[in-house]
Amino acid sequence: SQQGEEDPQALSIQEGENATMNCSYKTSINNLQWYRQNSGRGLVHLILIRSNEREKHSGRLRVTLDTSKKSSSLLITASRAADTASYFCATALYGNNRLAFGKGNQVVVIP
Amino acid sequence: DTEVTQTPKHLVMGMTNKKSLKCEQHMGHRAMYWYKQKAKKPPELMFVYSYEKLSINESVPSRFSPECPNSSLLNLHLHALQPEDSALYLCASSQGTFSGNTIYFGEGSWLTVV
Repeated sequence: SQQGEEDPQALSIQEGENATMNCSYKTSINNLQWYRQNSGRGLVHLILIRSNEREKHSGRLRVTLDTSKKSSSLLITASRAADTASYFCATALYGNNRLAFGKGNQVVVIP
Repeated sequence: DTEVTQTPKHLVMGMTNKKSLKCEQHMGHRAMYWYKQKAKKPPELMFVYSYEKLSINESVPSRFSPECPNSSLLNLHLHALQPEDSALYLCASSQGTFSGNTIYFGEGSWLTVV
């Protein structure tokens, strides 16, 4: 079953701007992960945030997790054309690595 | 760059054909996965192997038959597929199957059933 559900947004932004996308889920989770997928390619793991963490950074990426609201956000700062991709959140329940992916957000960064 | 290698990248097969998708990883991971992804949809889990044993089958039709010959290899045997089975098939691996292990994906195999 699908847990992570991003807001169904297609973002189109100018290079240098920030991009924010959201993800909501329904049940208690062990962790939440964000993946990037370029058109027709495999998924690239971006960042994992555990249920006891509230914020995590990796380079130009900032992820927040609000377990009380069952939501997460991914912020990409100073976007580049190479950031053009689909971004998926995925949740993992306690005890197994059965990832449930959200619908995905399409981000287009215009040079 | 992914360290999970999938072959072939593209496969076209008829509904009566038998073909296989192959996946290989050399990261020493003990869990391997098959996901199916339709266009503009999120990936959906098909199978999970843990220590070379099938641990999860997400009610996948028997025309898809997974095989894990050793800890580095994962195959997906295809037989009597339907056109609606056309999709991107993604292999993945992780250190183990407990949550919190990062899952690494391959580039996928594009399957077209005609």
